[in-house]
Amino acid sequence: DAMVIQNPRYQVTQFGKPVTLSCSQTLNHNVMYWYQQKSSQAPKLLFHYYDKDFNNEADTPDNFQSRRPNTSFCFLDIRSPGLGDAAMYLCATSLGREQYFGPGTRLTVT
Amino acid sequence: GQNIDQPTEMTATEGAIVQINCTYQTSGFNGLFWYQQHAGEAPTFLSYNVLDGLEEKGRFSSFLSRSKGYSYLLLKELQMKDSASYLCAVGGSTLGRLYFGRGTQLTVWP
Repeated sequence: DAMVIQNPRYQVTQFGKPVTLSCSQTLNHNVMYWYQQKSSQAPKLLFHYYDKDFNNEADTPDNFQSRRPNTSFCFLDIRSPGLGDAAMYLCATSLGREQYFGPGTRLTVT
Repeated sequence: GQNIDQPTEMTATEGAIVQINCTYQTSGFNGLFWYQQHAGEAPTFLSYNVLDGLEEKGRFSSFLSRSKGYSYLLLKELQMKDSASYLCAVGGSTLGRLYFGRGTQLTVWP
């Protein structure tokens, strides 16, 4: 089945220790998104790629970076995680108007 | 800026009908989306409205009034499995860009 895959589903990292979250898709969609969602809050868009064009949201901290080496894969790098970065990170893809979400990675910062 | 409002919580009983309202004020508009999100899982697409009126899809219907900046999601014949958060999202002026509300946590009681 075509889908959006995120690994790992649960990630624990230490305060200040760099961490990378992964997303892959078999949908061949040209747009990929990373969202941060904290408990009982709306998903917040961090950035998105339109093909290889990177689009950063104005309020995304510099601590968050992303890479998209090819159509299928996209990575979220958190250079120095703080306690406030503990959240669910959602990857999504789209070809047009509808977005397809992966299962998310729940990040815990200790 | 973008402002999307929906109630925080709602409760209903099995077999009943519930209406979840959403009001929005956004700088661009490319349709109104509803997503369902079960606890700890990714959002899944429910409906899309770009023209005024009612869209029906099985037990779920969604309504849009663009002049009023208003939408609702109507769930009929409620089942226990409908207990979830329902996210209202507005498509922005950039294709694929979504602005999410905080979500309405619906609890269905037996």
